[in-house]
Amino acid sequence: GEDVEQSLFLSVREGDSSVINCTYTDSSSTYLYWYKQEPGAGLQLLTYIFSNMDMKQDQRLTVLLNKKDKHLSLRIADTQTGDSAIYFCAEPSSGYSTLTFGKGTMLLVSP
Amino acid sequence: EADIYQTPRYLVIGTGKKITLECSQTMGHDKMYWYQQDPGMELHLIHYSYGVNSTEKGDLSSESTVSRIRTEHFPLTLESARPSHTSQYLCASSRVEPYNEQFFGPGTRLTVL
Repeated sequence: GEDVEQSLFLSVREGDSSVINCTYTDSSSTYLYWYKQEPGAGLQLLTYIFSNMDMKQDQRLTVLLNKKDKHLSLRIADTQTGDSAIYFCAEPSSGYSTLTFGKGTMLLVSP
Repeated sequence: EADIYQTPRYLVIGTGKKITLECSQTMGHDKMYWYQQDPGMELHLIHYSYGVNSTEKGDLSSESTVSRIRTEHFPLTLESARPSHTSQYLCASSRVEPYNEQFFGPGTRLTVL
């Protein structure tokens, strides 16, 4: 079955760039997603990338997709304390019935 | 902002009680989901539905049950709550594949004493 892997924790200083990495298993995935979860809240879609793209940029966010290595990354430029949250990578499950989420990466931004 | 609601937001209840966690969405989405999120952050899919009168079990075995009588409503019921059910429960909805973008509610934090 699908398995989405992420590092569990990342700590950066305010103003630095953050890079959160993810590996996925299904090379036929059409979309790949990044979700953000703030404390005490549900998940919120942050951005997504279509599988025929290598890169997508949206303001401070840059998503890079390496299909050969099945590697997805999320770069946050000029990281702010408000970016402190848990970030989940996700891919469609087989049969597209639902999404398979990684275990989440906790990003801690210190002043 | 997504229009998906969960009530209650917090619930503390004694062992053996029957509880129902409510989830409603106003986006007309056919697919709905329930996840259990443990303190280690990982999400576990416990139930999902393709539409009215459709319910499926997810990856994680659960003693809860769900129903889908109306498109907008997907309640989750625990017949007899136990301390092992203490967790965060997240409801989500989406259009049909292939897009699969899921919209999440704010969650219900359940504590069973």
